[in-house]
Amino acid sequence: DTAVSQTPKYLVTQMGNDKSIKCEQNLGHDTMYWYKQDSKKFLKIMFSYNNKELIINETVPNRFSPKSPDKAHLNLHINSLELGDSAVYFCASSQSRGGYRAEAFFGQGTRLTVV
Amino acid sequence: RKEVEQDPGPFNVPEGATVAFNCTYSNSASQSFFWYRQDCRKEPKLLMSVYSSGNEDGRFTAQLNRASQYISLLIRDSKLSDSATYLCVVSGDSSYKLIFGSGTRLLVRP
Repeated sequence: DTAVSQTPKYLVTQMGNDKSIKCEQNLGHDTMYWYKQDSKKFLKIMFSYNNKELIINETVPNRFSPKSPDKAHLNLHINSLELGDSAVYFCASSQSRGGYRAEAFFGQGTRLTVV
Repeated sequence: RKEVEQDPGPFNVPEGATVAFNCTYSNSASQSFFWYRQDCRKEPKLLMSVYSSGNEDGRFTAQLNRASQYISLLIRDSKLSDSATYLCVVSGDSSYKLIFGSGTRLLVRP
């Protein structure tokens, strides 16, 4: 059973389009994240949700809109895609532990290419 | 100053070598520390958590120095399969934030 699964694995689309990436975790974790890994391989946090509530938004353009229908799901919708949005997007989840943060588990990534 | 800093490498070592990676972090309030491994075109995977007392898992030893805000990873008896990028991860000013370093690339040659 895949602990954190995201779809699609690959996404090729034209500039200006709108696309969504879906993520689900079956670990019972209370926190989910979206990370972006650019061509320089740097993993940067975009959003963090705890029990469906947005906790962290790291100055991401508002073309990116996350949605968490329940604590097991965190989707990412991107409007008006730009060339610079090309990257690998990783979903992850982890569990709060009394003020500490347990390790995060990652989905396999969505490789987005905007042409 | 970056929140988490690592030497990007690459570290190119022969099989059987011992190699050490270092990582510094800027937020003295950070409470959680990890080393992850990422293979090419794959997701990051937890290698080990880092505890204040230091911890060991087989050939891997992690150390934390809170006073110097420094984390290390030591790999003994390197294997070809250890070739990967090693990511230092630290919780941020919020416990809901895990911050990744830019990674250190390790190449183990026969």
